[in-house]
Amino acid sequence: AQSVTQLGSHVSVSEGALVLLRCNYSSSVPPYLFWYVQYPNQGLQLLLKYTTGATLVKGINGFEAEFKKSETSFHLTKPSAHMSDAAEYFCAVSKAAGNKLTFGGGTRVLVKP
Amino acid sequence: ETGVTQSPTHLIKTRGQQVTLRCSSQSGHNTVSWYQQALGQGPQFIFQYYREEENGRGNFPPRFSGLQFPNYSSELNVNALELDDSALYLCASSLEQGRETQYFGPGTRLLVL
Repeated sequence: AQSVTQLGSHVSVSEGALVLLRCNYSSSVPPYLFWYVQYPNQGLQLLLKYTTGATLVKGINGFEAEFKKSETSFHLTKPSAHMSDAAEYFCAVSKAAGNKLTFGGGTRVLVKP
Repeated sequence: ETGVTQSPTHLIKTRGQQVTLRCSSQSGHNTVSWYQQALGQGPQFIFQYYREEENGRGNFPPRFSGLQFPNYSSELNVNALELDDSALYLCASSLEQGRETQYFGPGTRLLVL
């Protein structure tokens, strides 16, 4: 069975500071990995995904994530936080294209001015 | 191109009642998945439909059932509602069963009293 662990249910950063959200996964097969963002009272929006190939993945809104197989990690970063980044972020894994997504518990990001 | 839409946006039911939630997939998408997101948690996979057939199911009881129609719209039905069914229900569609990216709708928030 697959699982996803997101370290830290809440993260507080200052505007302009680095955003680092941690995600570790377990999977018996090479995984597909995703980061989604959820703004209040909205659905999930895809930030970025890793399927195969380059392990550093760039997404929307300046976010990027690096797949590290040896560490079973897929941490999300953004060099400079913006107030609009305040939201909840979910890491997810699937074992095949189009297969079910298994989500972590989410990390809520607060951005301080 | 229209995105994934869901109706209604909010719903209040009482324990023991039945509810039907609806999802209209993104144009051209023939695969739809349903997820339940309890408050403060990540989404959990309920089931997936591909070309009107159920194609995978999560750990949910049979009182959770679904349909996919020839136009690829979908319904989630829940019978004998329980208080713990209170959650945000998310629908996600993807282009083909073998494509990895699922696009989410805004969700239906269900409150069971």
